Amino acid sequence: ILNVEQSPQSLHVQEGDSTNFTCSFPSSNFYALHWYRWETAKSPEALFVMTLNGDEKKKGRISATLNTKEGYSYLYIKGSQPEDSATYLCAFRITGNQFYFGTGTSLTVIP
Amino acid sequence: ETGVTQTPRHLVMGMTNKKSLKCEQHLGHNAMYWYKQSAKKPLELMFVYSLEERVENNSVPSRFSPECPNSSHLFLHLHTLQPEDSALYLCASSQVDSSHWGYTFGSGTRLTVV
Repeated sequence: ILNVEQSPQSLHVQEGDSTNFTCSFPSSNFYALHWYRWETAKSPEALFVMTLNGDEKKKGRISATLNTKEGYSYLYIKGSQPEDSATYLCAFRITGNQFYFGTGTSLTVIP
Repeated sequence: ETGVTQTPRHLVMGMTNKKSLKCEQHLGHNAMYWYKQSAKKPLELMFVYSLEERVENNSVPSRFSPECPNSSHLFLHLHTLQPEDSALYLCASSQVDSSHWGYTFGSGTRLTVV
């Protein structure tokens, strides 16, 4: 079992604040890193698939970076809104079909 | 709606009951998965079906029994469960022959064993 760590476990920010959190994963056998956004009582929704060292992806106010050599990815949210409140999951994929999930970062944006 | 539908959304069952969870996808995907999420733990892979054949069974107790009758449907049959089996059970599907494929998840079944 590979260890994928996400930090912080939870955070509360004020509306309008920017925030970021981390996904750490083993740097060997890297194939891809996936980010999901999971709202309560809904399905986890794919945000990004990142494959190359130095990758940067952006979707609206949310962006992510990837460092495969040191084994981490950052997710940034600019100008947080209440609708950004969710759990953000990362999943590390090695070659083959196996995904390893982190426990998620729970974000609450306070209006 | 993501295209992956799970029923029921909530289930309460006694330890001697038999029940089944259902998952359905109409995305044309060729692989389906059962995951378990317990509180404060990562998603835990239970079973994988690829092209309707079970390709992975991660040491799951025999009181959980999967069934994949076709590429669109996946079941998880439950019998004589224990209270520690209470969790959120997520179904997912994917197209494994596309590059850098990811999962499409259902909304899950919240199972409580009493």
